[in-house]
Amino acid sequence: AQRVTQPEKLLSVFKGAPVELKCNYSYSGSPELFWYVQYSRQRLQLLLRHISRESIKGFTADLNKGETSFHLKKPFAQEEDSAMYYCAASGSARQLTFGSGTQLTVLP
Amino acid sequence: DGGITQSPKYLFRKEGQNVTLSCEQNLNHDAMYWYRQDPGQGLRLIYYSQIVNDFQKGDIAEGYSVSREKKESFPLTVTSAQKNPTAFYLCASRSTGGFAKNIQYFGAGTRLSVL
Repeated sequence: AQRVTQPEKLLSVFKGAPVELKCNYSYSGSPELFWYVQYSRQRLQLLLRHISRESIKGFTADLNKGETSFHLKKPFAQEEDSAMYYCAASGSARQLTFGSGTQLTVLP
Repeated sequence: DGGITQSPKYLFRKEGQNVTLSCEQNLNHDAMYWYRQDPGQGLRLIYYSQIVNDFQKGDIAEGYSVSREKKESFPLTVTSAQKNPTAFYLCASRSTGGFAKNIQYFGAGTRLSVL
């Protein structure tokens, strides 16, 4: 079965500290991986995806096929990064399978 | 603000009642999706449609129904058979071309509660 796992429901870090949100996937074939973010009172939106290999708002994510992971990282967290983060995978049918989400809180 | 409009923002359902959630998009996307969001469970796929007049069940379709008569519209009906309908419902559409290919864009959601 296709599955995306985010082991941390809640994650708190201090401003300026590095942050890593973990994501592991179990998928047949070669899925496309995404990170979506939901800020307070805003709609769910794409943060980044693995095929773009880009940094958005200082976040990066590297696809590790050997470990089937797609962890999201930022070297220096900011208070405005506080949000709910979802990892998602898309297979050949283009449906998204979401992880259960990680609520990130960046403390001042 | 744009692209995908969900209405109403809040909806209340009485026992035994069917209710319909609206989703409209002006992005010219062929594919549309309905998800249910529950605390601690992430988003789960209810139904999806790849093209007009066609739709497929997702992981939790029981107690729900959809139609796709127009490209722009993908309404979701929560029937009385859905015993635990209280949740936040999200509609999305997917881009199929260009740089944004396969990105899903989401509406602002409808929060459904049972009276």
